[in-house]
Amino acid sequence: EAQVTQNPRYLITVTGKKLTVTCSQNMNHEYMSWYRQDPGLGLRQIYYSMNVEVTDKGDVPEGYKVSRKEKRNFPLILESPSPNQTSLYFCASSGTGPNTGELFFGEGSRLTVL
Amino acid sequence: GQNIDQPTEMTATEGAIVQINCTYQTSGFNGLFWYQQHAGEAPTFLSYNVLDGLEEKGRFSSFLSRSKGYSYLLLKELQMKDSASYLCAGTSGGYIPTFGRGTSLIVHP
Repeated sequence: EAQVTQNPRYLITVTGKKLTVTCSQNMNHEYMSWYRQDPGLGLRQIYYSMNVEVTDKGDVPEGYKVSRKEKRNFPLILESPSPNQTSLYFCASSGTGPNTGELFFGEGSRLTVL
Repeated sequence: GQNIDQPTEMTATEGAIVQINCTYQTSGFNGLFWYQQHAGEAPTFLSYNVLDGLEEKGRFSSFLSRSKGYSYLLLKELQMKDSASYLCAGTSGGYIPTFGRGTSLIVHP
């Protein structure tokens, strides 16, 4: 089954404790992206990757890192989480290019930073 | 990126028709997406418009006017399960879609 898988789905952590949210897709998609979604603000892009070893900042990259060592994986790293990073995070991928084809989203990771 | 504008909330009655509007900047515009998102779930793709005109997919249709920077999503024969947030997303220049804040549609009996 074609899917984008995120882990963990739910996480409560404390300020400053490094964490990684994994994202994996099995559709051989070149494009992958991370979004955060907050009430009243919609989906905001954090980072995206057009291909292996190619990443770029989105609209709200501060406090986040990403890597794309393999085509299928695109982890999101919070080196020192802060409460303002409490949010719902979505990973997404696209095969034909995000401006021509649909984005496939993971189920979301709800993160709470205390 | 695009400046996407859509209403925050709409309500409609089961069985009725509702139109959700979306406006965007026309400069460098490529195409426009519509996604549906139920509460607590991931967005799912509904439509993608590049050319002017109306595209119909069952109960859902999407319209685009490139010259006016305007799109709408039309939902017919509304069902309770259509209660969701509808996200408009535009692409311009590069490859990155910019999402609007979403329109929360409430369908009541």
